[in-house]
Amino acid sequence: NAGVTQTPKFQVLKTGQSMTLQCAQDMNHEYMSWYRQDPGMGLRLIHYSVGAGITDQGEVPNGYNVSRSTTEDFPLRLLSAAPSQTSVYFCASSFVLPLTSDTDTQYFGPGTRLTVL
Amino acid sequence: DQQVKQNSPSLSVQEGRISILNCDYTNSMFDYFLWYKKYPAEGPTFLISISSIKDKNEDGRFTVFLNKSAKHLSLHIVPSQPGDSAVYFCAASEETSGSRLTFGEGTQLTVNP
Repeated sequence: NAGVTQTPKFQVLKTGQSMTLQCAQDMNHEYMSWYRQDPGMGLRLIHYSVGAGITDQGEVPNGYNVSRSTTEDFPLRLLSAAPSQTSVYFCASSFVLPLTSDTDTQYFGPGTRLTVL
Repeated sequence: DQQVKQNSPSLSVQEGRISILNCDYTNSMFDYFLWYKKYPAEGPTFLISISSIKDKNEDGRFTVFLNKSAKHLSLHIVPSQPGDSAVYFCAASEETSGSRLTFGEGTQLTVNP
């Protein structure tokens, strides 16, 4: 049981380049999401999905696309990278339900550190 | 509009003493609150949570207190250990949004030996 995996760990892009950040989970979680972490701003939600074929925007979706063709995978695409997208990106997953139990939580991957020059 | 705020970017305490991390929220619809811990170069990991029907939840050295009228929660760590040094994020969700979480800015805790 690998949990949530992300690739690559590090990436450097030039402005205007495109790339895909990969995220996979093996816990059969319906809910998957992408966050970016920037200094002093915490974790901000980019996009999320409540199941295969269903995606929706979070707080900061501009410049990013997602798709969810399988339960396991949730890739994040940067179509034309900008320096403002320099950040650490985290993928997370959980079961879809109202979080009301003492044990409900989201599980996070190790992150991808992206630098856009 | 920051719905979850952690006003202290950093906190430094001595080993063995109590660490108190604070979090305020503005959305009265939030009904579930979590604390995550994050070490450098790793993803956040779940620490402890509390439902709005409770005012306290305890797990070993960690206790979370919720004051709904003040829209405030706090995480107490007693006794603090050097291994507790990390960034702590407060997060909140509301039943109608399912698993979607809103995070605070984080507080860097440093526990000095």
